[in-house]
Amino acid sequence: NAGVTQTPKFRILKIGQSMTLQCTQDMNHNYMYWYRQDPGMGLKLIYYSVGAGITDKGEVPNGYNVSRSTTEDFPLRLELAAPSQTSVYFCASSLEGGQPQHFGDGTRLSIL
Amino acid sequence: AQSVSQHNHHVILSEAASLELGCNYSYGGTVNLFWYVQYPGQHLQLLLKYFSGDPLVKGIKGFEAEFIKSKFSFNLRKPSVQWSDTAEYFCAVNPTGAGGFKTIFGAGTRLFVKA
Repeated sequence: NAGVTQTPKFRILKIGQSMTLQCTQDMNHNYMYWYRQDPGMGLKLIYYSVGAGITDKGEVPNGYNVSRSTTEDFPLRLELAAPSQTSVYFCASSLEGGQPQHFGDGTRLSIL
Repeated sequence: AQSVSQHNHHVILSEAASLELGCNYSYGGTVNLFWYVQYPGQHLQLLLKYFSGDPLVKGIKGFEAEFIKSKFSFNLRKPSVQWSDTAEYFCAVNPTGAGGFKTIFGAGTRLFVKA
């Protein structure tokens, strides 16, 4: 049982580049979340989804986009990378809404 | 705006010492409360959660937390810590009203247990 899988684990981008962080879960959870974790700041919710085709903004959505075409996948896209987006990104899923239970291993993203 | 405050950013204890990590939140309505743990090099894991009922909840690995509604607090406790408890601990709050999917995390407390 793989749980929540994130790729890549590490990435360095140049300012203005774009990329997609992949997240997939095999638990058939309806609820999925993207968080960023900055040192000393805890986790901030970027976007969440309550099911295929339904997404909504979290606390810090600016500069990001998401889609949820299937129950399994919840990719996060950065269109124009900025240094302020340097962070560790975590994807999570849950059976019940609002209680992220299963987290991926994270993607460490640096933008230079 | 809703927020979660964790009182200590860093805590250092010796093995067998008792642990209490403070957590306060600012939200006047009904909430679900969580503690997560992140061991070095690992992803976050759910330690325990409170939805309703007995305000003293027990989690994995001997941890417990007490919800005191009048103080808007949800402190984490363990009677005797072990070296393996070295980790970062996050308190989280989910307001169950409108927008109840937006769980808010505290900044975390790094616990180091000396062997």
